[in-house]
Amino acid sequence: NAGVTQTPKFQVLKTGQSMTLQCAQDMNHEYMSWYRQDPGMGLRLIHYSVGAGITDQGEVPNGYNVSRSTTEDFPLRLLSAAPSQTSVYFCAIRGGKAGYTFGSGTRLTVV
Amino acid sequence: RKEVEQDPGPFNVPEGATVAFNCTYSNSASQSFFWYRQDCRKEPKLLMSVYSSGNEDGRFTAQLNRASQYISLLIRDSKLSDSATYLCVLGAGTASKLTFGTGTRLQVTL
Repeated sequence: NAGVTQTPKFQVLKTGQSMTLQCAQDMNHEYMSWYRQDPGMGLRLIHYSVGAGITDQGEVPNGYNVSRSTTEDFPLRLLSAAPSQTSVYFCAIRGGKAGYTFGSGTRLTVV
Repeated sequence: RKEVEQDPGPFNVPEGATVAFNCTYSNSASQSFFWYRQDCRKEPKLLMSVYSSGNEDGRFTAQLNRASQYISLLIRDSKLSDSATYLCVLGAGTASKLTFGTGTRLQVTL
């Protein structure tokens, strides 16, 4: 996927569990972001980062934490998973003529 | 009113047909416009950017009408491989955060 790697691809969590979704890029782009996609809704921005050490909230940040210690990595943490966080999560980077490049996604189910 | 509105479809068309999708948006401050394609259970991929003067890429033509706040995508000579969901996407702000429509599903049949 053009330098954006997301892991895991699938995950099932129990309510209250925590986990970290990983996103790594090898394209040296400053801008990274996390989106969630739910049926009948457009992708919605959770958090984004314009460079190492800088993060900001998007449209739906509640229940999620992020950090950006390096240019390459932008992990998304769920501290206490809830069924409402069942979704498909995409990491995206921005750069060049390709515009935004998305990772292959993580399908998360919270039971 | 949603920031970006699209007809969800599905649009069922025969191979070789011409099909057009429209998308309306409410934020007049939107600065950049895109069409993305998303295959089932896959990530969105950039199909084309949309410019005010209109632009074409092979069988695909995109148009932007800022006054009426809509963008369009025309697909000529549809192929089976064009079957996908087409997302209308807007960018605005210094961080160019994207706003996505819910997508229009296209199914091309024999």
